[in-house]
Amino acid sequence: NTVMTQSPTSMFTSVGDRVTMSCKASQNVGINVGWYQQKTGQSPKRLIYWASNRDTGVPDRFTGSGSGTDFTLTISNMQAEDPAIYYCLQHNSYPYTFGAGTKLELK
Amino acid sequence: EVLLQQSGAELVRPGSSVKISCKASGYTFTDYYMHWVKQRPEQGLVWIGRINPANGNTVYAEKFKSKATLTADKSSNTAYMQLSSLTSEDTATYFCTRRLSGYWGQGVMVTVSS
Repeated sequence: NTVMTQSPTSMFTSVGDRVTMSCKASQNVGINVGWYQQKTGQSPKRLIYWASNRDTGVPDRFTGSGSGTDFTLTISNMQAEDPAIYYCLQHNSYPYTFGAGTKLELK
Repeated sequence: EVLLQQSGAELVRPGSSVKISCKASGYTFTDYYMHWVKQRPEQGLVWIGRINPANGNTVYAEKFKSKATLTADKSSNTAYMQLSSLTSEDTATYFCTRRLSGYWGQGVMVTVSS
């Protein structure tokens, strides 16, 4: 199975900060990676598909990059509504696998 | 508007089974795979498997092969997941999602308790 390792596990940030989080795949997954945001008590929401494509309605401060085994989600200008847990997902091969998540909080 | 409406919360006994539903609307049900995802309290997301509603073909994660059974009813545009031999480890919220895209159900909380 492909293991998706996310880092950091958690981070504190401030409004206006640039935030970067990482997801590393244990094997080549091409660009078959999505990024999801989950706020407390809500269903996950996909932000990025195919590693770097923003879903409709997602603010352009969210940017995904990477291919192969290394992927990054960047929030260019942290906003008050962005605290959440962010998960990456590989859908290159079964079983699909999520990373353990990066919890993003405001200072 | 695409909607995935899941059934209500369940409180079930250890050793029993439960069947939860996910009713799709706003699109052609047979055009998209339906995936199911598990989330235990305060934990991360785990992919369970997926079904092709057009022909019933299923793929499961290994750990769910004897736990979950995915089905789909084309006549009612509803996907189902049955969980069997329930234990406390199955206490979780279960989501259906259309192709793991922007469309997710609201989740069903299944609590296994005597």
